[in-house]
Amino acid sequence: DTGVSQDPRHKITKRGQNVTFRCDPISEHNRLYWYRQTLGQGPEFLTYFQNEAQLEKSRLLSDRFSAERPKGSFSTLEIQRTEQGDSAMYLCASSLAGSRTQFFGPGTRLTVL
Amino acid sequence: GENVGLHLPTLSVQEGDNSIINCAYSNSASDYFIWYKQESGKGPQFIIDIRSNMDKRQGQRVTVLLNKTVKHLSLQIAATQPGDSAVYFCAEEGAGGTSYGKLTFGQGTILTVHP
Repeated sequence: DTGVSQDPRHKITKRGQNVTFRCDPISEHNRLYWYRQTLGQGPEFLTYFQNEAQLEKSRLLSDRFSAERPKGSFSTLEIQRTEQGDSAMYLCASSLAGSRTQFFGPGTRLTVL
Repeated sequence: GENVGLHLPTLSVQEGDNSIINCAYSNSASDYFIWYKQESGKGPQFIIDIRSNMDKRQGQRVTVLLNKTVKHLSLQIAATQPGDSAVYFCAEEGAGGTSYGKLTFGQGTILTVHP
């Protein structure tokens, strides 16, 4: 499968714990995006990378959230001191340079108890 | 996908009918629009896209229409099949600056196709 992959697919954690999600984009896609989707809503933009540079961050991305893409390939999204309001589907997407079409992965569903 | 259905518009059609899903977008500066299909438990799947210099684009069984005057987008699905049942989202992207690369999604419409 050469699509966007995300790991884990599901994560259950207790409030106050830290969690980290991984996204592997489609090979050769230099742009990588993170979105969050809550029940009954469309995805909301969080941040995006072009290669290893983080170019845009939403105000939704509080200081408890951090995203990295150290080598311009896979990316990680970390949430520190999780809160129940962080429960959502975290989606990753990637796109090829020069194209605006974003292809999404299957998402990581986070449940904070 | 996130199709609880309590607040999303719904469209029910019979197999074989044509479906039209509508979307009103908010930003007159948006110049790129895209439709996604999202099935339960999966990420959004690309269907078709259109740039603002076009008013119609066709794919396989799907057509997207763009009316910039009234900021309206529609997705037409021909000969709808049960496998088309899903939540459909439209999304827009601005032309540059802080909007570039940032898709803004609409509310979503639940399509149910009855055999």
